[in-house]
Formats: sequence, structure tokens, C-alpha cells
Amino acid sequence: DGGITQSPKYLFRKEGQNVTLSCEQNLNHDAMYWYRQDPGQGLRLIYYSQIVNDFQKGDIAEGYSVSREKKESFPLTVTSAQKNPTAFYLCASTPGQVGNTEAFFGQGTRLTVV
Amino acid sequence: DQQVKQNSPSLSVQEGRISILNCDYTNSMFDYFLWYKKYPAEGPTFLISISSIKDKNEDGRFTVFLNKSAKHLSLHIVPSQPGDSAVYFCAGKAGGTSYGKLTFGQGTILTVHP
Repeated sequence: DGGITQSPKYLFRKEGQNVTLSCEQNLNHDAMYWYRQDPGQGLRLIYYSQIVNDFQKGDIAEGYSVSREKKESFPLTVTSAQKNPTAFYLCASTPGQVGNTEAFFGQGTRLTVV
Repeated sequence: DQQVKQNSPSLSVQEGRISILNCDYTNSMFDYFLWYKKYPAEGPTFLISISSIKDKNEDGRFTVFLNKSAKHLSLHIVPSQPGDSAVYFCAGKAGGTSYGKLTFGQGTILTVHP
């Protein structure tokens, strides 16, 4: 089955600690994205990557970092500099081709700072 | 700067009736629009999309209408079913390719009563 796998589903972090969320896809998609969802708000873009070893900041990149060393993987690190890290994090991907297609999403990771 | 707005936080309809979810956008560069359905603690799933060169797209019970002059789109679900109860997000994209970020609205919670 092709898809996007996010792990873990639930994650707890102490204040002041960095934590890394995993996102792996076997769809052979070129582009990958990280979104954050807060109650009553839409999905907001954190970072995205269109190709290996390249990524761009989204609308709310402060306090986050990413890497794209492999096409299949796009991990997100939530650093201690992120002031409100408790949220639902979603990873997505799109194929690299001319023409519009939908983005495919993983099942999400719920991060809670305790 | 909210480029995509869903002004109705919630909508309640009776089973079998029509559900109409609305979305407004401000970015004139958007050329592709998508609707996603999301259950709590899960990733969004793609429902239907429309290119800016069209004004209507239909897929089974779901129809999306686009009014470019008003910068408005709507999703019609007919007939509505209890399983349609979820959060619905509209999103816009610019660029004409499958790369590029989606900009989401805040979402509308649809409840379909039996």
C-alpha cells in the first residue's frame, strides 16, 4: 500500500526539549510539506520541500527545522524556541509533475507539551 | 492575512437534504481549488477539486462551484448522509503545477442528523 506514514501518533514533550516528528512516504512524490492544525484554525504551512536537499519556509516556520536528505523522508524538529508547540501536525506530499493534483496527507501526530 | 476564508464555523443539516459549504478567497493568483474532509485525529482526505478555467465540477454526490468574479466557491453535498459529518476544509493553490503550497480556510464542521 502506498501512502504517507507519520510517527508517532501521540507525542509528549517537556518544555525546553527538542522533539522530532517522522514523515515517510512511498508514493515516489517529489514534494513534501508540514502543516500544523490548531483548534478553530485551518492548516498552516510550516515548511515544504520540492526536491531532495532543498526546502523553504512556510507561513509559520519560526521554532521549527526540517531536513530532506532522502526523497522518502521529511522529518520535522520542533525546537524549544517554538512558543506554542502543542498542536496536531500533518505531513503531506504531492507528485512532481506539470498539472495540478491533490496533496496526500498522513494521519498526523498529536504533540503535547507537558 | 487570511487568503482563504470559511465564514461558517459549523453547519447542521438533516439527512437527505442538501449541504452547502462556502469558501471565499482573496488571492487572484490561485488557479486550483480543493476540498478536503477531515475526521478528528486523522489526516484530511481529498474530496474534489476545480481548476480556475471551470465553474463547476461534479463527482457523485459532491459538486463544487467556482465564481471567479466573486472569488467564491461552494461545495454542495446531495443527498447528505450521517457519514458526511466531519470538518470540511477548502484550499487554494497557485502556480499551475503539482508543486506549491496549499492555503487552507479555517474549516466548517458539518453535522448531518439522521
